Amino acid sequence: SAVISQKPSRDICQRGTSLTIQCQVDSQVTMMFWYRQQPGQSLTLIATANQGSEATYESGFVIDKFPISRPNLTFSTLTVSNMSPEDSSIYLCSAWTGGWEAFFGQGTRLTVV
Amino acid sequence: KNEVEQSPQNLTAQEGEFITINCSYSVGISALHWLQQHPGGGIVSLFMLSSGKKKHGRLIATINIQEKHSSLHITASHPRDSAVYICAVRSVETSGSRLTFGEGTQLTVNP
Repeated sequence: SAVISQKPSRDICQRGTSLTIQCQVDSQVTMMFWYRQQPGQSLTLIATANQGSEATYESGFVIDKFPISRPNLTFSTLTVSNMSPEDSSIYLCSAWTGGWEAFFGQGTRLTVV
Repeated sequence: KNEVEQSPQNLTAQEGEFITINCSYSVGISALHWLQQHPGGGIVSLFMLSSGKKKHGRLIATINIQEKHSSLHITASHPRDSAVYICAVRSVETSGSRLTFGEGTQLTVNP
């Protein structure tokens, strides 16, 4: 199993600024994922964070807007850059240990004003 | 058409009622998850199914692989069950690491 600590849990940010979200896992995991959940909608995959290589971004998401780091097998960060009110969402990280179980962080509720 | 569809989108119940949330999917899967999301945003995995039925306390999850359908049941519902319930599948057509999510069901249980 894996326990994920995600922070911050919430933040209110000014437009044009950037926020970095961190996820720390209590064990080494194969892959980590970053999701966005806009109000009233389901989770959308932003990118897959791979240790030792560049993240793989989904259609509609770019590295300049959502830079991701994965320096080791237990930690990853997602930065939301040059924020606008449209970036107000819940951001979630998830870890895959190679099996069938699903593990998620506690979520970061971001409001951009 | 979404690969994973849930119904209903919203559900309001009185405390003690029996609740059913349904999930249909259109792809071949290796596993199906039922997830619970509380207002703060964090997600907890309730069940992971590849066949049959699982029970944990007042929660029961079933899956019919042939019909590509799963249900989540809550017996003797309680206000603390109020949350968003999300169905997610691991497709055999993509790498086993990725999940595809349903839209979620907002459940409100009134005292």
